[in-house]
Order: sequence, then C-alpha cells, then structure tokens
Amino acid sequence: TQLLEQSPQFLSIQEGENLTVYCNSSSVFSSLQWYRQEPGEGPVLLVTVVTGGEVKKLKRLTFQFGDARKDSSLHITAAQTGDTGLYLCAGGVWDGSEKLVFGKGTKLTVNP
Amino acid sequence: DAMVIQNPRYQVTQFGKPVTLSCSQTLNHNVMYWYQQKSSQAPKLLFHYYDKDFNNEADTPDNFQSRRPNTSFCFLDIRSPGLGDAAMYLCATSGHRSSTGGYTFGSGTRLTVV
Repeated sequence: TQLLEQSPQFLSIQEGENLTVYCNSSSVFSSLQWYRQEPGEGPVLLVTVVTGGEVKKLKRLTFQFGDARKDSSLHITAAQTGDTGLYLCAGGVWDGSEKLVFGKGTKLTVNP
Repeated sequence: DAMVIQNPRYQVTQFGKPVTLSCSQTLNHNVMYWYQQKSSQAPKLLFHYYDKDFNNEADTPDNFQSRRPNTSFCFLDIRSPGLGDAAMYLCATSGHRSSTGGYTFGSGTRLTVV
C-alpha cells in the first residue's frame, strides 16, 4: 500500500508570510498532483508534476517533484487570506489504469 | 460550464436503511471514481469505472456497490449504512486512464447516519 505523508498537518500563519508544505513517501509515483479543498467542497486541481526534479510555478505557488519521484513540496510566497484551505497531495499509481492515492492534507489558515 | 454534479449535497439516512448517492458529468470523461473522505483522513478510493469496466478496490466493503448506466451518470449504493459510513463521498472524473490531466471532482455528498 502506497502511503503519502503530508507535513505539517496544520499550519497557521499571518498574511504576507512564506510557507512550505511537504508530501513524502517511500514509494515511487508516476505523477504527483496537488489539490486545494475548501470546506464542504470537492478538491480542485492546482498542478500536476510528472518528471523527477520538475518545478512548476503558479503565481505565488511553487511546486517541486523530488528527483526520485517519491516526494514533493509546495511553497507559497507572501500568503494571502484567500490561500486558506486544505492542501492535498496525490500520487499516481498504475494498476491497469492510473489511480490517485491521497495524503491526509495540510490545513492552512492565513490570518489577516 | 462542463462539470461534475453530485446530489444531494447532504444526505441523512437511518442506520441500516439503503441509500443511493448520485453523480453526473457533462465532461464526457471515460473514467469515474468514488472516494470516501472522513474527517482528518485522506480521501480513500472505493472503486472506479473505465467506461463500463468496473474496478473495485480490494478493501472496499461489500456494503458499497456502484452502477454506471451510461457515460454521464454514476451511482454509489450503500446497502446497509452503519455509523462508520458517515463521511463525505466524492465523485471524480478523468478523461484518460492516466491521471496526469488531473481529476475533476464534484462538490461531494455529506452523508450522516442516524
């Protein structure tokens, strides 16, 4: 069973601060995706990384896939209150078709 | 807008009383997934359909069943809900066997068992 460990589980910061959340596993994944989930809603895809060492930027968000394709990080620069939410990482696992295995998420609160 | 719609948003059912959750999509995606998400836990894949091909996860209880009568609709049936089945149920779709294009999720159905 592939497990994705996310850290920290909870993070509360002030607006304008930078933060990094981590997603780690002992398994290799074909891809790694990050989602953001608001309370009472389904997850929304932020990014997919496929190649080991890949870095993608989405405005103030920077995503990195580890060289060995076992881990990933999400860095947010100058956090805003609108960044508040649950950030989920999900790894692609092939079993006939590719399925996503999710981590428990990092609950981020950005205070004004 | 193309989307994934889950109904109802909130469902209260009695212990042991069968309940059906529905999911529809206008994306014409081949693959549809059902995830169970309990509080502070990772979303857990229950099963998925690639077209009409049903794929059950090994640890999904027999109490959970699914139907996909056509491309647009997929149903989750819980035959005898227990208190431990209270959770958010998420439907997702994908256009390919590969997930690299990402999944599109519905807003979920919050199931309460009383």
